[in-house]
Amino acid sequence: GAVVSQHPSRVICKSGTSVKIECRSLDFQATTMFWYRQFPKQSLMLMATSNEGSKATYEQGVEKDKFLINHASLTLSTLTVTSAHPEDSSFYICSRLAGVTDTQYFGPGTRLTVL
Amino acid sequence: GDSVTQMEGPVTLSEEAFLTINCTYTATGYPSLFWYVQYPGEGLQLLLKATKADDKGSNKGFEATYRKETTSFHLEKGSVQVSDSAVYFCALSDYNQGGKLIFGQGTELSVKP
Repeated sequence: GAVVSQHPSRVICKSGTSVKIECRSLDFQATTMFWYRQFPKQSLMLMATSNEGSKATYEQGVEKDKFLINHASLTLSTLTVTSAHPEDSSFYICSRLAGVTDTQYFGPGTRLTVL
Repeated sequence: GDSVTQMEGPVTLSEEAFLTINCTYTATGYPSLFWYVQYPGEGLQLLLKATKADDKGSNKGFEATYRKETTSFHLEKGSVQVSDSAVYFCALSDYNQGGKLIFGQGTELSVKP
């Protein structure tokens, strides 16, 4: 069964509003989770590494004030897209590491559409 | 920095055909190598992995061998099915870099009956 869930699976919002996406580790306490962004027919781009109890580590070029990441518990990380614009429309996917290995388990993704 | 290059798609095959999707990598350390599969509208699923040179990963009839001398991790399947239609991503991870995955661009596979 699924080990990582995301909510919502789809969201449509108006330009200028903020949207929060939740990522839950269902069977394992995850100190580290990852957030990716995927454009249509393209690969996944790592946005940030979410660390429980501390600040997220953002990849170069990702605006930390626009994509707020909170990892307040060992099973939940949230990504908030602030003041969303149409160019933020994308498929957002989270993942967690499988224990001490470097395999990642991915969530089903969240399709964000900004009108 | 580390990178992964995959053959471009889309790849269209008839059912029961042989599949090869090429993947090469560049890395400064000793990465683990992965193939992930993404079905339409879904997240990624791990297909197979290999953690060191000459390891062979296999799952659901798919195989890939970690070739350090050619820096490659080509995906193969002897007889594809319509249900194998998906996008396949090759990726590498260096655990010393916090487990971050670096993906290739993905290869779309379409299998026709």
